[in-house]
Amino acid sequence: EVQLVESGGGLVQPGGSLRLSCAASGFTFSTYSMNWVRQAPGKGLEWVSYISSSSSSIYYADSVKGRFTISRDNAKNSLYLQMNSLRAEDTAVYYCTRGDCTGGVCSFDYWGQGTLVTVSS
Amino acid sequence: DIQMTQSPSSLSASVGDRVTITCRASQSIGRYLNWYQQKPGKAPKLLIYAASSFQSGVPSRFSGSGSGTDFTLTISSLQPEDFATYYCQQSYSTPRTFGQGTKLEIK
Repeated sequence: EVQLVESGGGLVQPGGSLRLSCAASGFTFSTYSMNWVRQAPGKGLEWVSYISSSSSSIYYADSVKGRFTISRDNAKNSLYLQMNSLRAEDTAVYYCTRGDCTGGVCSFDYWGQGTLVTVSS
Repeated sequence: DIQMTQSPSSLSASVGDRVTITCRASQSIGRYLNWYQQKPGKAPKLLIYAASSFQSGVPSRFSGSGSGTDFTLTISSLQPEDFATYYCQQSYSTPRTFGQGTKLEIK
């Protein structure tokens, strides 16, 4: 069974930093791309960042570029999101998602339960 | 960036009804369109990928169609567990973008 378990969320002051982790199990982690997707309270879904299976390709949403860093450790089956210079508008539930490209069309086929990040003084 | 627009934003329907949700892309995206279902307090779940292909385990009452800029998600006979928020998402280009969501409520 595919499982994605996020951790590391919490309350942080504006300008602060936080590191999210996602522990993956139930599949060969090293062969899948991974993403972070967030959802502000009461709002819709926003893609945040992508990392390829080998970490050779990395992309960010403009809203987090230069502040967030995605990384992975295939030996530990883990995905990370280092978040610096946090702003109130970064307050959201952050989901770790697996990327699957069946038939050439990519989707987020499995999602973790999410971890809440609150940026407030 | 490709903008995704869903309609309606909310919808009231009854068990057994046939429901259609529309998603429009700001430019042609071929069939690079996915649909997700999200229930309150839960993570989204992939329902349909590549516009019309079922994710494993998704009931056959769900169907997707469309290509280019216009897509639809249809639920043929609403069940109580289908009341949720539905999102479309394009995977044609980065950044991946979602529609604003359609909240399906019980009438």
